[in-house]
Amino acid sequence: ETGVTQTPRHLVMGMTNKKSLKCEQHLGHNAMYWYKQSAKKPLELMFVYNFKEQTENNSVPSRFSPECPNSSHLFLHLHTLQPEDSALYLCASRQAGTEGSNTIYFGEGSWLTVV
Amino acid sequence: QKEVEQDPGPLSVPEGAIVSLNCTYSNSAFQYFMWYRQYSRKGPELLMYTYSSGNKEDGRFTAQVDKSSKYISLFIRDSQPSDSATYLCAMSAPGSARQLTFGSGTQLTVLP
Repeated sequence: ETGVTQTPRHLVMGMTNKKSLKCEQHLGHNAMYWYKQSAKKPLELMFVYNFKEQTENNSVPSRFSPECPNSSHLFLHLHTLQPEDSALYLCASRQAGTEGSNTIYFGEGSWLTVV
Repeated sequence: QKEVEQDPGPLSVPEGAIVSLNCTYSNSAFQYFMWYRQYSRKGPELLMYTYSSGNKEDGRFTAQVDKSSKYISLFIRDSQPSDSATYLCAMSAPGSARQLTFGSGTQLTVLP
C-alpha cells in the first residue's frame, strides 16, 4: 500500500473510446502528477497540479485531458487515443515545502492498451 | 546528450553478490538524488533519498553521490532474489522540486 491508489489497474480501449483513469492519494499531499512510462524509456512527466491548479503541461496531446477536483483526487480523461499511447500511466503525489519534499510517491499504475 | 544517463542492463548476479548501480548526469544544479525500485508491473517505490554529496546507508543499501564527477551510485550488499527489479535514479535541482529527472532504469536479476 503506497498511499496513492490508481484505478483501473488494467484498461484496454479502442481508438474511438472515451475512458478515464482515476487517482486518489491518502497522504495529505498538495501536489499530484501524471507520468507516462513506456518500455526502455525514462518516465515522462505529463501534468502537474499544485493545490488543485495545473502548473505544468509538458506538451501533451489534447487527447489526454487531466482533471483535479481537489488535492486528493486526479483524473486523466482519454479519448481517440492511438496505439502508441499504450503504456503504464503513473500517478504520483508530493508534499511541497517539507523536508524531503523533492521526493514523490507513486501509485501502482494503470496499464493502458489501445487497440 | 541525455540529462541523466543510466545503463539499462540487464544485469544478472548470483545471490549474495554486491551490486553496483550507477547514473551520470550533466546538470550541475542537481542537488537532490533519489533511487526508486520498481518491481514488474508495479509502480516505482522510493528506496533512498540523498541531499548533495556523500553517502547514505539503509540496511543493505548504500547511496553515494559524487557531485564533482556528476556520478551517483547505489550499492546492494548480500543481494537477494527479492531485489530483482528495475532501479531508477532520479534527481532535481533547488527550486524545481516539482519536476524530477529520471534515468531510464537498470533491470537487475539476482539468481538464487
